[in-house]
Amino acid sequence: DAGVIQSPRHEVTEMGQEVTLRCKPISGHNSLFWYRQTMMRGLELLIYFNNNVPIDDSGMPEDRFSAKMPNASFSTLKIQPSEPRDSAVYFCASSDRGYYGYTFGSGTRLTVV
Amino acid sequence: DAKTTQPPSMDCAEGRAANLPCNHSTISGNEYVYWYRQIHSQGPQYIIHGLKNNETNEMASLIITEDRKSSTLILPHATLRDTAVYYCIVRAPLSNTGNQFYFGTGTSLTVIP
Repeated sequence: DAGVIQSPRHEVTEMGQEVTLRCKPISGHNSLFWYRQTMMRGLELLIYFNNNVPIDDSGMPEDRFSAKMPNASFSTLKIQPSEPRDSAVYFCASSDRGYYGYTFGSGTRLTVV
Repeated sequence: DAKTTQPPSMDCAEGRAANLPCNHSTISGNEYVYWYRQIHSQGPQYIIHGLKNNETNEMASLIITEDRKSSTLILPHATLRDTAVYYCIVRAPLSNTGNQFYFGTGTSLTVIP
């Protein structure tokens, strides 16, 4: 298994531009999570899905952020318009709702200039 | 989810056992103790989890006190590659509101040559 795959690994964009981060969870996992990590705030849960349905998006910072999971093998996190304070590492993780926790992807390092 | 308390940092000599403590005095009866670690620039990695019995796997051992109010993660022979931030999390495996993990600030372990 290739694990959780995120793309791109690095993204540099100008303020005001739209940014789309992508995630492919582990096959068979039915829960997917988006986290954001910064030095100031640590790891923050943004949103999670169970069986492709968003369950809790209370961690999404504001309306500029949106996430979708059109099928069991793909999810996107979109920021429109992006701002410098959105600069962070964004992690995607998936789980089979079992006891063994999450598997995280390698993350996308986003820099908004 | 119950909150956890961990020391912000620890050092350990290479080849010695690293003992990382965690306090979770408000843990509920159905909540498990999970440990993750995050090596610099990588996504968090699952290490081990347990309910009330001590657990051991190829990576580490988990010792949970009888009253379940604290636990210790033991890396029996620390190597330089074990330098990372270690997170202790308590969570019910299948909660009604989902099964999300909330990460605190963790313990930054430095293994010294």
